[in-house]
Amino acid sequence: AQSVAQPEDQVNVAEGNPLTVKCTYSVSGNPYLFWYVQYPNRGLQFLLKYITGDNLVKGSYGFEAEFNKSQTSFHLKKPSALVSDSALYFCAVRDSTGFQKLVFGTGTRLLVSP
Amino acid sequence: EAGVAQSPRYKIIEKRQSVAFWCNPISGHATLYWYQQILGQGPKLLIQFQNNGVVDDSQLPKDRFSAERLKGVDSTLKIQPAKLEDSAVYLCASSPQAVGGGKGYTFGSGTRLTVV
Repeated sequence: AQSVAQPEDQVNVAEGNPLTVKCTYSVSGNPYLFWYVQYPNRGLQFLLKYITGDNLVKGSYGFEAEFNKSQTSFHLKKPSALVSDSALYFCAVRDSTGFQKLVFGTGTRLLVSP
Repeated sequence: EAGVAQSPRYKIIEKRQSVAFWCNPISGHATLYWYQQILGQGPKLLIQFQNNGVVDDSQLPKDRFSAERLKGVDSTLKIQPAKLEDSAVYLCASSPQAVGGGKGYTFGSGTRLTVV
């Protein structure tokens, strides 16, 4: 079964510094990977996805993610963090064995301090 | 395009009562999902519809949860009777038939259920 793991419950970073939120995956076949962000009392907002092609994927709000097949990782990155980036981030993988549901990680809370 | 609409935004009920949530997906999206997100956890799929048919309800507690999408458009999720552990955010999402292009999945703002 497809799964993703987010090893950090929380990431703290100072504004202006680079940030990384980690995700590793386990899939059979080619992975379809996603990152979503969730602000308080809001639904999930799409940031970016990897389907195929370039290993560096660029997404919304200046975020990017690097797909690494040998390490089975899909880490979310941003060169310069903003206080407004503080939120809950979810990595997800599309289930390719059935009906294409998304399987989510447990989430990582990002706190950006001024 | 209009997003995925959900109502109500918040609901507080006593245990053993019943509750219903409504979702209207993006127009033309064939697939509709209901996810349950318990505080501190990632969303978990409860049920997935393809048009008006159920394609995955393996994690739906069928003794108390039910869902329908009669005309292949909007959907209702019901809990009867509710338990304390049902307190969660219920997220609805939709996607086109073939997921891959664009954002793939679009989520609504969710319904926050508190069972007391």
